[in-house]
Amino acid sequence: QKEVEQNSGPLSVPEGAIASLNCTYSDRGSQSFFWYRQYSGKSPELIMSIYSNGDKEDGRFTAQLNKASQYVSLLIRDSQPSDSATYLCAVTAALIPTFGRGTSLIVHP
Amino acid sequence: NAGVTQTPKFRILKIGQSMTLQCTQDMNHNYMYWYRQDPGMGLKLIYYSVGAGITDKGEVPNGYNVSRSTTEDFPLRLELAAPSQTSVYFCASSILLDYEQYFGPGTRLTVT
Repeated sequence: QKEVEQNSGPLSVPEGAIASLNCTYSDRGSQSFFWYRQYSGKSPELIMSIYSNGDKEDGRFTAQLNKASQYVSLLIRDSQPSDSATYLCAVTAALIPTFGRGTSLIVHP
Repeated sequence: NAGVTQTPKFRILKIGQSMTLQCTQDMNHNYMYWYRQDPGMGLKLIYYSVGAGITDKGEVPNGYNVSRSTTEDFPLRLELAAPSQTSVYFCASSILLDYEQYFGPGTRLTVT
């Protein structure tokens, strides 16, 4: 059984702070890693994808991947109230995607 | 482009009834997926398809069936609905199997 683990939160940060979201996975053969954002009552939308070890930056978002530790994270800089949502980590192994339960992020003014 | 569309948005079924959830994408993606999401949970893969005429089971296929006769359409069939199938169902598509997915707006299904 492939596992993708996330802290369900909620993670509460003040506006302008850095939010750090973490995800661990069990399958060492995992190849692709994704962060999706899901607002309440809406469908998931892609925030970041990362395929190799290291950091990948896109605007205020940075994804970090460490395959040796089986760990992927998402940093959100200068957090805004509009970032308040559930963030889903998705990991693909043997071409099958597995999603974590998601971490609820609350950014308070 | 409309992207991925799903119908209906909401549906209430009685136990034992059957229905088909429709999913259509206009991005010419070969790969399509059906997920269910229960409250506070992540997405569970029900079925996926790598192209017209080819489908395969995901993590939770029991109680569901799919078909893929065209690139655009990937309907999900529920036979003999049970309360355990109460959930939100999302259809998604991607250009490659190991690539980002685009999701439809979801169908909220209640079985009573």
